[in-house]
Amino acid sequence: EIVLTQSPGTLSLSPGERATLSCRASQSVTSGYLAWFQQKPGQAPRLLISGTSSRATGIPDRFSSSGSGTDFTLTISRLEPEDFAVYYCQQYGSSPPKYTFGQGTKLEIK
Amino acid sequence: QVQLQESGPGLVKPSGTLSLTCAVSGGSISSSDWWSWVRQPPGKGLEWIGEIYHSGDTNYNPSLKSRVTISVDKSKKQFSLKLNSVTAADTAVYYCARHWAYWGQGTLVTVSS
Repeated sequence: EIVLTQSPGTLSLSPGERATLSCRASQSVTSGYLAWFQQKPGQAPRLLISGTSSRATGIPDRFSSSGSGTDFTLTISRLEPEDFAVYYCQQYGSSPPKYTFGQGTKLEIK
Repeated sequence: QVQLQESGPGLVKPSGTLSLTCAVSGGSISSSDWWSWVRQPPGKGLEWIGEIYHSGDTNYNPSLKSRVTISVDKSKKQFSLKLNSVTAADTAVYYCARHWAYWGQGTLVTVSS
């Protein structure tokens, strides 16, 4: 099983700042599939990025991602007030379980 | 616009069976996408439970595989989750999703006597 570890656990930033969230896999994500989700309290997760770097429909271009192998990054270039939420990475693997999620990074207003 | 809606009992007794249904509207359940169940214990992260294709093919999380069944009813445009022998550890918000852009709002299932 591929374990995803996200860091930091909590990130405190101000609107307008740049956010960098990390997702590290316990072994190489050979499928190349690494997705990012945003979740706000009381809401379902929202797909931001799929296939490592493709923004989902309607996702603003201040969200970007990069990485390969075991190290992946989600970057929010200039934080808007609505960006403060919990972010999860997710990988698709060839061995079970087919999908695993990271434990999440909480992005909070400083 | 695809919409998903979970339904089922909000309270299940320990050792009982959790049964949920996800109704699909605004799109075809026979699309070339997989349909998943994901759960989230209160205050915790996301756990993938399993998935189904419209053909009936399934994949399950090994940690739950012995207790989980996911099925699809194309005529009713819905897919279902059954989780048996539940304990308090199965208390969570359960989400259905169409990989991975469309999610239901989630339904809280509490396991308690």
